[in-house]
Amino acid sequence: DSGVTQTPKHLITATGQRVTLRCSPRSGDLSVYWYQQSLDQGLQFLIQYYNGEERAKGNILERFSAQQFPDLHSELNLSSLELGDSALYFCASSVGGLQETQYFGPGTRLLVL
Amino acid sequence: SQQGEEDPQALSIQEGENATMNCSYKTSINNLQWYRQNSGRGLVHLILIRSNEREKHSGRLRVTLDTSKKSSSLLITASRAADTASYFCATDGTGGTSYGKLTFGQGTILTVHP
Repeated sequence: DSGVTQTPKHLITATGQRVTLRCSPRSGDLSVYWYQQSLDQGLQFLIQYYNGEERAKGNILERFSAQQFPDLHSELNLSSLELGDSALYFCASSVGGLQETQYFGPGTRLLVL
Repeated sequence: SQQGEEDPQALSIQEGENATMNCSYKTSINNLQWYRQNSGRGLVHLILIRSNEREKHSGRLRVTLDTSKKSSSLLITASRAADTASYFCATDGTGGTSYGKLTFGQGTILTVHP
């Protein structure tokens, strides 16, 4: 158990819908990262937050947004969902943000029908 | 796009044998990490090696890093059936826009037969 929690574990929804994925980092970690894992793209970095502020951005679609709250938990919002958004979404956390081990949560498996 | 390429894509061995996986990357790095993923589940951190380190050990794991060749290898000694999983290398690049962004390779699927 990495200490990173993610909810829900599974999510099934329809095209065009909007979902919110939630992540609680390890106690004491200030950085949260979101990654997407799909069969065709592999593991891809989406976005990083550090202590409430956006720190780095990857190939995150405009339909996706994220935020980190004062209690350091983070949410990833996916809107106008498409079939291709079906994937495993991972949250990871680390103490700071540079040259550190990132600890991954169990993931949320999203299926868009 | 993936930073690294892993070799082989799949590896099948018998229990007790050693397993070696290789990872190559393209840009300068701060560190390189290896992760394990059991069938569609979360990633488990195995080991982190910094760019100024050449070799690191953790239990049955041995990782080497050659920054001149931009490559790393993961050796699992005396493998067990429980080692069956996908193994990924991930790099933390240099440069201000990289911060803690990890770039993953495509992974090696390791199967250890009892």
